Amino acid sequence: DSGVTQTPKHLITATGQRVTLRCSPRSGDLSVYWYQQSLDQGLQFLIQYYNGEERAKGNILERFSAQQFPDLHSELNLSSLELGDSALYFCASSVTSGRVYEQYFGPGTRLTVT
Amino acid sequence: AQTVTQSQPEMSVQEAETVTLSCTYDTSESDYYLFWYKQPPSRQMILVIRQEAYKQQNATENRFSVNFQKAAKSFSLKISDSQLGDAAMYFCAYRGGSEKLVFGKGTKLTVNP
Repeated sequence: DSGVTQTPKHLITATGQRVTLRCSPRSGDLSVYWYQQSLDQGLQFLIQYYNGEERAKGNILERFSAQQFPDLHSELNLSSLELGDSALYFCASSVTSGRVYEQYFGPGTRLTVT
Repeated sequence: AQTVTQSQPEMSVQEAETVTLSCTYDTSESDYYLFWYKQPPSRQMILVIRQEAYKQQNATENRFSVNFQKAAKSFSLKISDSQLGDAAMYFCAYRGGSEKLVFGKGTKLTVNP
């Protein structure tokens, strides 16, 4: 158990819908990262937050957005869902924003868009 | 942009034997970190080992060790005394100044009893 929690574990929804994925980082970790794992694209970095502020953006679609709240939990919002958005979404956290620290991954949320 | 390549989509090994998984990367940065992550059927991403680019000594964690060749931009993972529980997808990952992890496509390791 990495100490990173993600809810829900599974999500099934229809095209055009909107969903919210939630992540609670390890206690004391200020930095949260979101990754998408799909068969087509593999594991891709989406976005990073550090202590409530957006720190870095990767291949995140405009239909997707994220935020980190004062209690440091983070949410990833996916809207106007398409079949191709079906994937495993991981949240990871690290102690701080710095190169020394490993990223610890949550168990992921499996999203299925039908 | 940095890239990570794992040229072996699948590998197999007999229990108790040794197997080496290959990884190459491309970067213009001089300061970076390399990782191997394990993803068992549960889908959990588990950190196996990490290597700092400025360290010449290869990292070792119990039965897992790496062969880091900085000039060749190669970072292979050796698993000794393979166990059934080692069966998983293994991902090589790069982390540079941008802090994001860049992953390879993965190698599926099968351990035969």
